[in-house]
Amino acid sequence: DQQVKQNSPSLSVQEGRISILNCDYTNSMFDYFLWYKKYPAEGPTFLISISSIKDKNEDGRFTVFLNKSAKHLSLHIVPSQPGDSAVYFCAASRRSRTGNQFYFGTGTSLTVIP
Amino acid sequence: KAGVTQTPRYLIKTRGQQVTLSCSPISGHRSVSWYQQTPGQGLQFLFEYFSETQRNKGNFPGRFSGRQFSNSRSEMNVSTLELGDSALYLCASSRGTGENTEAFFGQGTRLTVV
Repeated sequence: DQQVKQNSPSLSVQEGRISILNCDYTNSMFDYFLWYKKYPAEGPTFLISISSIKDKNEDGRFTVFLNKSAKHLSLHIVPSQPGDSAVYFCAASRRSRTGNQFYFGTGTSLTVIP
Repeated sequence: KAGVTQTPRYLIKTRGQQVTLSCSPISGHRSVSWYQQTPGQGLQFLFEYFSETQRNKGNFPGRFSGRQFSNSRSEMNVSTLELGDSALYLCASSRGTGENTEAFFGQGTRLTVV
């Protein structure tokens, strides 16, 4: 059962424009959400996170929005740059005495066209 | 400080053989999780170890096993390899103490089964 879903396998955006990557989740117990960026043949790199007590977190060109009622989060990249071309994974977790198991989406491949 | 280190980076094995992959987490991190990445399947959770104990387990057959040592280093073993086991195997470390925190990934081991 896929608890975190990224329904768009790929996205193409012109350089300088906004990239919006979307993610949906089903488990209302998740309280921490993360975005990772992955280049081919490398491990995912942590990008940005947001706690469920917030609805927005910004870090430079990257902003994550959380809509708890819709169980939806999105990553905005403004302005998009060719170096942003990668696969982006969203992930969710919840605090637990038995640890933080991270649930990942299937990824969205972003291509930024120069 | 040093990141997550996975060895080896690449492996080619024959069907029926077994393989052992190694992961050294970030210093101070006690949780190590393993993931399998195949095209179109995102990151599939294998298992998580914390203080030498398997704390969470994904939906993989018993041919996949792991262990963690007292220094938090972890190994993953796959026995009786099948062609479908060809994938990028990723290890992630985190503090694992229950608070919301990100996981940091190694560069992965690319396993090819022929």
